[in-house]
Amino acid sequence: DVKVTQSSRYLVKRTGEKVFLECVQDMDHENMFWYRQDPGLGLRLIYFSYDVKMKEKGDIPEGYSVSREKKERFSLILESASTNQTSMYLCASSFEGSGRISQYFGPGTRLLVL
Amino acid sequence: GDSVTQMEGPVTLSEEAFLTINCTYTATGYPSLFWYVQYPGEGLQLLLKATKADDKGSNKGFEATYRKETTSFHLEKGSVQVSDSAVYFCALRSPGGSYIPTFGRGTSLIVHP
Repeated sequence: DVKVTQSSRYLVKRTGEKVFLECVQDMDHENMFWYRQDPGLGLRLIYFSYDVKMKEKGDIPEGYSVSREKKERFSLILESASTNQTSMYLCASSFEGSGRISQYFGPGTRLLVL
Repeated sequence: GDSVTQMEGPVTLSEEAFLTINCTYTATGYPSLFWYVQYPGEGLQLLLKATKADDKGSNKGFEATYRKETTSFHLEKGSVQVSDSAVYFCALRSPGGSYIPTFGRGTSLIVHP
């Protein structure tokens, strides 16, 4: 079974703090993604990475950065947390080959910024 | 650009009722289409998919048919259970490039006993 794990299920941080969200996948997938999920807005892509040290901005990258030093790990960084970054954060990884497309999600991290 | 439109929820049904969740899309070319399910407190799981016109994806009693002529991929189930209560997301991926799906906003389903 593919596993995508996220370092925390719940986090509470204060405005201005630097926040690290970690994601690890165990299936050697090339592609990894960070989304945020908000009521009524669905999933919005923050950043994705298609290889080690490679990253691309998604739809809402402002206020976030990412790091992918190893293939299995993709970190999302909030440089200076703000209350409007209170959200559910979902990590995903994907594989595409031989006509098969598969994307797997982690359980999510619910972040509250006070 | 690509977009996915889902019916707004919540959809509230009694157990054993028939379910339809509408999904229409806009995309260039021939996208692959997906339904994901998110149970309370969990991440998204792929429920079913279809990669070409007239394909029918199916899983756990759910079905969806890729209709190119109406650009639709409606999710159906003949008899829902309380355990089907979840949020359902329709998604597409356009051909070529890296795998970056476009998601709909999700439809919440609540099934009462």
